[in-house]
Amino acid sequence: QQQVKQSPQSLIVQKGGISIINCAYENTAFDYFPWYQQFPGKGPALLIAIRPDVSEKKEGRFTISFNKSAKQFSLHIMDSQPGDSATYFCAASSKGSARQLTFGSGTQLTVLP
Amino acid sequence: DGGITQSPKYLFRKEGQNVTLSCEQNLNHDAMYWYRQDPGQGLRLIYYSQIVNDFQKGDIAEGYSVSREKKESFPLTVTSAQKNPTAFYLCASSSGQENIQYFGAGTRLSVL
Repeated sequence: QQQVKQSPQSLIVQKGGISIINCAYENTAFDYFPWYQQFPGKGPALLIAIRPDVSEKKEGRFTISFNKSAKQFSLHIMDSQPGDSATYFCAASSKGSARQLTFGSGTQLTVLP
Repeated sequence: DGGITQSPKYLFRKEGQNVTLSCEQNLNHDAMYWYRQDPGQGLRLIYYSQIVNDFQKGDIAEGYSVSREKKESFPLTVTSAQKNPTAFYLCASSSGQENIQYFGAGTRLSVL
């Protein structure tokens, strides 16, 4: 099973609020989980990534939480800002797939001023 | 200025026509990828190449072709066999154990 399921499809948050995007996977061989941020008309850019040997990774206002037993991981954006408005993709890869990335379907985040 | 350059930014295809999208990278990356992005469907892998003169089909290769004659270049041809080519096409490259992929700015292809 290569699919990565992402939710919600869209999210509206007030400035200063917390944005939470969730992803779930089936393939237990996945061992690398990056998040990408994409602004309209641009290519995705790597935001933050995690390996399953840690349960949480924080970089500035962005945190990945990882639950290996539930095969779920999530992105938390603290103190959300209008500049964070973008589409966010979770992804996963494994050594066995030549490190090809399997992407979630994306979440369009809008942060209201 | 290092990075991945995709051209053109916008492209229009007439029915029955083949069109080629350019992707050039100066990051000295071994692997390169082509993705198709449709609204609400995320990124789907068309083709990838891990080394010069070698490439593999991704999940949606039908109607597309690629070549990898140089490390820096990985052009994608959208052939007339691709009946629904309207999409945003993204090229990426990567290297290293974790295959961190870096993306170009994309080419938006539309049908006239």
